[in-house]
Parts: sequence; structure tokens; C-alpha cells
Amino acid sequence: DVKVTQSSRYLVKRTGEKVFLECVQDMDHENMFWYRQDPGLGLRLIYFSYDVKMKEKGDIPEGYSVSREKKERFSLILESASTNQTSMYLCASSSRQHSGANVLTFGAGSRLTVL
Amino acid sequence: AQKITQTQPGMFVQEKEAVTLDCTYDTSDPSYGLFWYKQPSSGEMIFLIYQGSYDQQNATEGRYSLNFQKARKSANLVISASQLGDSAMYFCAMREFLGGSEKLVFGKGMKLTVNP
Repeated sequence: DVKVTQSSRYLVKRTGEKVFLECVQDMDHENMFWYRQDPGLGLRLIYFSYDVKMKEKGDIPEGYSVSREKKERFSLILESASTNQTSMYLCASSSRQHSGANVLTFGAGSRLTVL
Repeated sequence: AQKITQTQPGMFVQEKEAVTLDCTYDTSDPSYGLFWYKQPSSGEMIFLIYQGSYDQQNATEGRYSLNFQKARKSANLVISASQLGDSAMYFCAMREFLGGSEKLVFGKGMKLTVNP
């Protein structure tokens, strides 16, 4: 069964801590995405990557960075966590075909609480 | 400007009845794709159905169908014969192409509750 695996389901961190959220996919997908989900706001794109070592800013990149050193792994980094980054973080991947139902496959999510 | 609009924050439907979930979108790109995802309380995002902008017929997948009205820029999801397991958050999304890469833009979602 193909999968997107997020390393942590629940995290609790303190303000100012550096936080790493890891995501690994086993589908050989070129594209990977990090979304943030908040009630009433839906899913908002933070960063995405369409190739190794490539990254593109999404709609809300401030306060975040990403790393993609290997095709299967896409990490989201909060350099100095703040309370307004308390949220559910969803990783997703897709293949690079530019037509048809290029479906995103999502991980189970990582719920981060910053105290 | 919001690109995907889901105006119904929540809906209730009786089991076995049909229900329509609204979605309108905004794009000037002639080539785009529209998706519906379901998110049950467990949190996983489940792909339901896809409609391409050039598809001549409305998409169908089992009990799910998409009422695609291109001129009105709407892509409403129709669930026939609702089941208790259909209770979940539902998100409409649109694929955008940006300089050779693509991303999915989501609406704010709506909560469907199926009553027995």
C-alpha cells in the first residue's frame, strides 16, 4: 500500500524551539507539499517542492523553511516556534504529470502545539 | 481573492437521502482541474472525485458525482444515498499551474453530518 508517512502524529514544543516535521513518501513522486490546516481556514499551502533540492513558497511561507535533500523526504522546519504556529500540518505528494487526475496523496498529519 | 469558495459551513442530511455540497471557483486559466476530498474525524484526507476543465461529461465515482457548470464556475459534489460514514469534512480544491510546477488550492471546507 502506497504511503506518505509523517514522523510525528502529535508534538508539543515550547516557544522559541526549533521544530522539524518529517515526511517520507514511497511512491517515487516528484512533487511534495506542506499544508497547514486550521478550523475555518481550510488547508493553506506553506511550501512545495517539485524536485530534489528545489523549493517554492506557497501562500503562507513566513516563519517556515523546508529541506528536500532526497526525493522521498521533505522536511518542514520551524526555526523558532511561536504559539500562532499551533496547528495541524499535512504533508502530501503527487507525480509530475501535468494533466488528468494528478491526485495528491496525504499523510496522516502532525498536530503541533506550541506553548 | 479567494479562489475556491465553499459557502456552506455545515449541512445535515438524513441517511439514504441525496445531498449537494457547493463549490465555486475563480480562475482565468483555461486548463484546470477540480477535486473533492473527504476528511473524516480520523484526519486522513481521502480523494473522492476529479473533474478536468476540458472534460465533456460530469465525473462520477460510485455514489459521488460532480455537477460541473463551467460557465457558472461551479463544481458541486453530489452524494447519492447518504450513509452514516459520509459524516466528515469535505474540501473542494483546484489545481493551478505555476511556471511549470503545480499546486492544489483548497477551499475552507464544510462539515456534513448524516443523521440516522
